[in-house]
Amino acid sequence: AQKVTQAQTEISVVEKEDVTLDCVYETRDTTYYLFWYKQPPSGELVFLIRRNSFDEQNEISGRYSWNFQKSTSSFNFTITASQVVDSAVYFCALSEEGNYGGATNKLIFGTGTLLAVQP
Amino acid sequence: AAGVIQSPRHLIKEKRETATLKCYPIPRHDTVYWYQQGPGQDPQFLISFYEKMQSDKGSIPDRFSAQQFSDYHSELNMSSLELGDSALYFCASSSTGFTDTQYFGPGTRLTVL
Repeated sequence: AQKVTQAQTEISVVEKEDVTLDCVYETRDTTYYLFWYKQPPSGELVFLIRRNSFDEQNEISGRYSWNFQKSTSSFNFTITASQVVDSAVYFCALSEEGNYGGATNKLIFGTGTLLAVQP
Repeated sequence: AAGVIQSPRHLIKEKRETATLKCYPIPRHDTVYWYQQGPGQDPQFLISFYEKMQSDKGSIPDRFSAQQFSDYHSELNMSSLELGDSALYFCASSSTGFTDTQYFGPGTRLTVL
């Protein structure tokens, strides 16, 4: 069965602190895709990153970085030097390979982590 | 860049009424997904369409139906509305031939009174 666990329900940090959001997943498939989405208070879901199961290379995009480790089934997200605008709910999601190939299958979301960045 | 368009953005209905939510995918995207997000919850998959055919079905109530039209837009029809249907409904789209990442629309907030 597919499952995504985000054990941290809420995290509160002060601006400029680094923060890591944890994500642990379960799947029986050898081909799968992992995602992070951001949901700010305005409510929309903003795509941040996608990783496929064959690519364990870590990625850095500005203040954001992601650490994918298949050995521990984890896909953690770090924000460096956090800012108030980073305050949002962050969802980790899993998609198994779709019937038509690629990540066209439904997304299974974790329960989300609410990040509050205080000025 | 063009994004997924959803209408209406807000909808208020009475119990037992019907509602229709519309979704216009990103141009050249061939797959549409519908998700329901209750207050304080994560989005839950309802149904998806690929090239106008239903491709997958999640925990969608029998009172709900959906379809994808020839221009690839999709509509989610909800009948006999219940208080528990109050939620944020997201549509997402992706392209199997280009980028199969799901991009989400802004959502339709449905309130059932």
